[in-house]
Amino acid sequence: DSGVTQTPKHLITATGQRVTLRCSPRSGDLSVYWYQQSLDQGLQFLIHYYNGEERAKGNILERFSAQQFPDLHSELNLSSLELGDSALYFCASSVGELAGSYEQYFGPGTRLTVT
Amino acid sequence: AQSVTQLDSQVPVFEEAPVELRCNYSSSVSVYLFWYVQYPNQGLQLLLKYLSGSTLVESINGFEAEFNKSQTSFHLRKPSVHISDTAEYFCAVSRPGTGRRALTFGSGTRLQVQP
Repeated sequence: DSGVTQTPKHLITATGQRVTLRCSPRSGDLSVYWYQQSLDQGLQFLIHYYNGEERAKGNILERFSAQQFPDLHSELNLSSLELGDSALYFCASSVGELAGSYEQYFGPGTRLTVT
Repeated sequence: AQSVTQLDSQVPVFEEAPVELRCNYSSSVSVYLFWYVQYPNQGLQLLLKYLSGSTLVESINGFEAEFNKSQTSFHLRKPSVHISDTAEYFCAVSRPGTGRRALTFGSGTRLQVQP
């Protein structure tokens, strides 16, 4: 158990809908990363938040957005869903910007199926 | 930008045999290197990391990896595999510095240990 929790575990929804994925980082971790894992694209970085502020963006679509709240949990919002958005979405956390704190600890993921 | 190449998508091996999973990276700046393991229907677990210092790094379960700067490689090895090592293994890189810690992953290598 990495200490990172993600809810829900599974999500099935229809095209055009909007969903919210939730992530709680390990106790004390200030950084949250979101990744998407799909068969055709592999594991891709979406977005990074540190202590409530966006730090970096990867291959995140404009239909997707995220935020990190004062209690450090994060939410990834996916809207106008398409079939191609079906994937495993992982959240990872790390201590943050301190030297040497490069390890990221992954949650169990949310499997999103768009029908 | 950096990239990671895992040359083998699948590696079948018999139990108690040695194995090497290959990883090459490309980057114009120094990087940090990681191996993650993903068991079926689970999240990613950090196996080992190279940040600096000794180029040979070891994990607690018998895996080791060697950083070779001249060959830009970080191959993962185990002298004797077990059935329980069956999983997907991902090589990843990140960069030093604020806002650059996101992981870039290879496409993964599926290790299949046969009795």
